[in-house]
Amino acid sequence: GAVVSQHPSRVICKSGTSVKIECRSLDFQATTMFWYRQFPKQSLMLMATSNEGSKATYEQGVEKDKFLINHASLTLSTLTVTSAHPEDSSFYICSARDLGKAGGGSYNEQFFGPGTRLTVL
Amino acid sequence: GESVGLHLPTLSVQEGDNSIINCAYSNSASDYFIWYKQESGKGPQFIIDIRSNMDKRQGQRVTVLLNKTVKHLSLQIAATQPGDSAVYFCAEMAHDMRFGAGTRLTVKP
Repeated sequence: GAVVSQHPSRVICKSGTSVKIECRSLDFQATTMFWYRQFPKQSLMLMATSNEGSKATYEQGVEKDKFLINHASLTLSTLTVTSAHPEDSSFYICSARDLGKAGGGSYNEQFFGPGTRLTVL
Repeated sequence: GESVGLHLPTLSVQEGDNSIINCAYSNSASDYFIWYKQESGKGPQFIIDIRSNMDKRQGQRVTVLLNKTVKHLSLQIAATQPGDSAVYFCAEMAHDMRFGAGTRLTVKP
């Protein structure tokens, strides 16, 4: 199956520091990756769409200078939370899309990582 | 803007009963819909999907119904088990994937 990993799974940092989260597609190449943020008891909110070799597309209200996204290869996208503050504490989830990956009775071509819990003190 | 939402934020059912979780969507351009299950501290887990040219799709113990006329999606879980307890999200796909608010399903033994 299609597997997406994230690293780290949990991170605690001090306010003002930067944190990098990695998202990897382990057994397929993903031309497009997505970053979501999820606050407690809320839904996943799309932050940005990351396309390999080009700039990310950010959703309205998401600061691109604060949430830096790099999609340098077909299997890796990174999200860097710069100058993190306590309000950035959240569950960050990535997903990767592999066109043509659908199968096994599903049309699904987008696969989610396990998430990264960020706590900013 | 366009949104995907849920009618019921919480649902409690007895083990063995059937569960029905509902979702309303508003983007008429969406052509693909998915139901996900999310357990605490984990990423979304794919359950079942359906394309807009279908109105029903069945999986193992789960059925998804799509009513495009009223922009409504539902997930039916047969013989609900304690392991089904989780938060369930519907998601719609136009050019990207958007999630609904979520319903917490609790299964009482």
